[in-house]
Parts: sequence; structure tokens; C-alpha cells
Amino acid sequence: RKEVEQDPGPFNVPEGATVAFNCTYSNSASQSFFWYRQDCRKEPKLLMSVYSSGNEDGRFTAQLNRASQYISLLIRDSKLSDSATYLCVVVNTNAGKSTFGDGTTLTVKP
Amino acid sequence: GAGVSQSPSNKVTEKGKDVELRCDPISGHTALYWYRQRLGQGLEFLIYFQGNSAPDKSGLPSDRFSAERTGESVSTLTIQRTQQEDSAVYLCASSLDLVSPSTDTQYFGPGTRLTVL
Repeated sequence: RKEVEQDPGPFNVPEGATVAFNCTYSNSASQSFFWYRQDCRKEPKLLMSVYSSGNEDGRFTAQLNRASQYISLLIRDSKLSDSATYLCVVVNTNAGKSTFGDGTTLTVKP
Repeated sequence: GAGVSQSPSNKVTEKGKDVELRCDPISGHTALYWYRQRLGQGLEFLIYFQGNSAPDKSGLPSDRFSAERTGESVSTLTIQRTQQEDSAVYLCASSLDLVSPSTDTQYFGPGTRLTVL
């Protein structure tokens, strides 16, 4: 079993749709959590950190459930420009180890 | 300010040759990471540096891979006797430190695309 698992998708949604991605992790010592976005043949870029209380940034909402060891990303009113691969990242700060999920591919269509 | 830079952006080499990949992190970032991403796959963690030290080298795929960092700045990833399966994009990232979630956000360079013929 992988340390960080994501549904690879692809998710194909129309513009304006709401879409949610989940990510589960196995290491309970993990301390930091992030969502990154990666466009085709580009480097990953930080989308948002994930805090225990949940956090929102515009159309994006991230949630963390430590008890069940998963994080989620909700995208509302999706835009064509949201098409990308979304990577969840789990960091064990004490060990300095970052584990990326394999990513979920989203395609938003007109 | 400048972001993470990597060089070369592309490298084509013949099987069996050695290659050296360079990463210049964001100034003041004490933590530096190397990842490998094969085509269509996720990121594979290779190694991280805290300052000039790499506490855990177990992520390196084989003893042909080595990395060093000097002056708490530039890092080089060296692959000796390259094999075709080494073909991938090698990504470097840096973060302010590894102390807390607010400071361990990683910022990535554009990567080096390595092709081994």
C-alpha cells in the first residue's frame, strides 16, 4: 500500500461544476499537509496548505481529518483554467520526508 | 525575488556516462529537496538537506546516485554510469526550514529533463 493514495481520475467536469478530491495517508506521524497543482510538463506549484480547522481560499476549500487520515480538496464553480493534476503532499517534519500522492487529473470542459 | 533555479533545463546523455544536475534554492532557505518524476507518474522523493547535511539518504534509488550541498546553498545531484531507466525530470525544491507547517512549504524549480539514450 502506498503511503499517500489519491484517486488518479481523470475527473472530467463541465465549467461551473463542483468537484472534490480525497487523499489518504498511512503515516500517523505526518504533520504538514498541502495541495499542489501541476500543469502538463511544468513543476508543481503550491495551491494551498491544509490546516486542521480547514481552510478556504476563494473557490478552493481544504479539509484535514487526522482521525481518519485523509485530506480533501473541494473546487467550486470550476473554470477551464483549473484543468491540471492535483497532488496531495504529506510531510513528516521530524524526518524531513515529503511524500507526494501520484495526483488526480482534472479536466474542466466548456 | 528569484525562485528556485535548476540547470541544465535539458540533458541528453549516453548510457554509461555520468551527469551532474544543479539546483540553486531560494536565498535563505535552509531545506532543500530532490525528487524524480518519470513521465506520467508522481513525484519520487530522493533526498533532502537540512543545511549542508542529508540525514537520510535511503530514498536514493541506487549507489549510482549521490548528492551534496555546500554553503547551505547550491546542491548537485550526480548520477554515475547512467541507465535508460534514469530518464526522468529531476525536480529540486526548497523551503524556509523544516520547523513547522508554516515554514516548510516547498517551492519547486523548473526541473531538469534527463534523457539517457
